[in-house]
Amino acid sequence: GQQVQQSPASLVLQEGENAELQCNFSTSLNSMQWFYQRPEGSLVSLFYNPSGTKQSGRLTSTTVIKERRSSLHISSSQITDSGTYLCAMELWNYAQGLTFGLGTRVSVFP
Amino acid sequence: EAAVTQSPRSKVAVTGGKVTLSCHQTNNHDYMYWYRQDTGHGLRLIHYSYVADSTEKGDIPDGYKASRPSQENFSLILELASLSQTAVYFCASSDVRVNTEVFFGKGTRLTVV
Repeated sequence: GQQVQQSPASLVLQEGENAELQCNFSTSLNSMQWFYQRPEGSLVSLFYNPSGTKQSGRLTSTTVIKERRSSLHISSSQITDSGTYLCAMELWNYAQGLTFGLGTRVSVFP
Repeated sequence: EAAVTQSPRSKVAVTGGKVTLSCHQTNNHDYMYWYRQDTGHGLRLIHYSYVADSTEKGDIPDGYKASRPSQENFSLILELASLSQTAVYFCASSDVRVNTEVFFGKGTRLTVV
């Protein structure tokens, strides 16, 4: 089964609405990252978040490693937030790289 | 921020042909990775390397080879390209001496016909 579960799979927002994206991990992890994948495909690192809460502009990430979960909050969504948001976990053997979820596709309309 | 550059950005290859995807990073990172992304599977690890002249298998290495001739360069080689290898390929790097944050290149879209 999928080790990294993201929900919802897709989300439609009206500009200005807030959104909460969830990421749950089925195994113990060392750390995790949130990425934004632009519609043209490139990946942008949003947060490297071993634990706790981090904020960058309108984005807030909260990770509770012991509970194997993380969330990404988008406040006052904008059209430019449209794209896919991916979370990924790193196991304790970091040499194995990241294990990704399937993503949440976000569409923001005026 | 780490700079990871992939080339080419897109490529069309013929079934049975040899394909080489190149990756170059300028931030002195020790670890480098190759991932592929397919609809329905997300990103999956193909090969990785933690030191020059050494590579390791990831989760889906079959049909791929990797080469790390220097700390900055990491290549992915498809000796006999197949239709099933049509995907987007991402190179990434990290410096585990600092932390384990991973930085990605912009991706290479490979179409095998």
